[in-house]
Amino acid sequence: GAVVSQHPSWVICKSGTSVKIECRSLDFQATTMFWYRQFPKQSLMLMATSNEGSKATYEQGVEKDKFLINHASLTLSTLTVTSAHPEDSSFYICSARDRAISYEQYFGPGTRLTVT
Amino acid sequence: LAKTTQPISMDSYEGQEVNITCSHNNIATNDYITWYQQFPSQGPRFIIQGYKTKVTNEVASLFIPADRKSSTLSLPRVSLSDTAVYYCLVGGNDYKLSFGAGTTVTVRA
Repeated sequence: GAVVSQHPSWVICKSGTSVKIECRSLDFQATTMFWYRQFPKQSLMLMATSNEGSKATYEQGVEKDKFLINHASLTLSTLTVTSAHPEDSSFYICSARDRAISYEQYFGPGTRLTVT
Repeated sequence: LAKTTQPISMDSYEGQEVNITCSHNNIATNDYITWYQQFPSQGPRFIIQGYKTKVTNEVASLFIPADRKSSTLSLPRVSLSDTAVYYCLVGGNDYKLSFGAGTTVTVRA
């Protein structure tokens, strides 16, 4: 089946630094990838939609200059949290749409970010 | 995006059938209904998807009435490992998913 990986699975960084999270579709091509954030005991909240070769579309309230998204290829999207603060600590999850099966969407295992 | 409403939690015992009903009164003509399962600290896992009537796969069944304003996920003979949060989502061709609160299903021995 379709597999989406994320790297790293967990990361601890100091306040003020930046951290990059990678999302890869391993066995399919994804024209569209999505980034979500999930706080403890809450649901997933869509942050942005990432389309290969174009700028990401951010949801209302999500700072595009703080959460930089790059979707340089059909199998890789990256989310960079810039100048991280403790309130950015969360579980970040990506998902990818299989371009061959437009309604199928596969989720990565998530990345736990802790900002100290 | 169509809003969905589902119970916050459900309790069951091993071997029982669990049915979770989701309301989506504003579903659009081209919307599909998809259910995901999520364990703590993991990404959601696709369970089943349907458009109308009944869909069945190796893990669940999805019942959708003719008016499509609701859907019911049926998990046959649950086990302890089925304890998770279950999300009902409705989406169309752009498939931008909006997750609701989900239903926490707790299976007891």
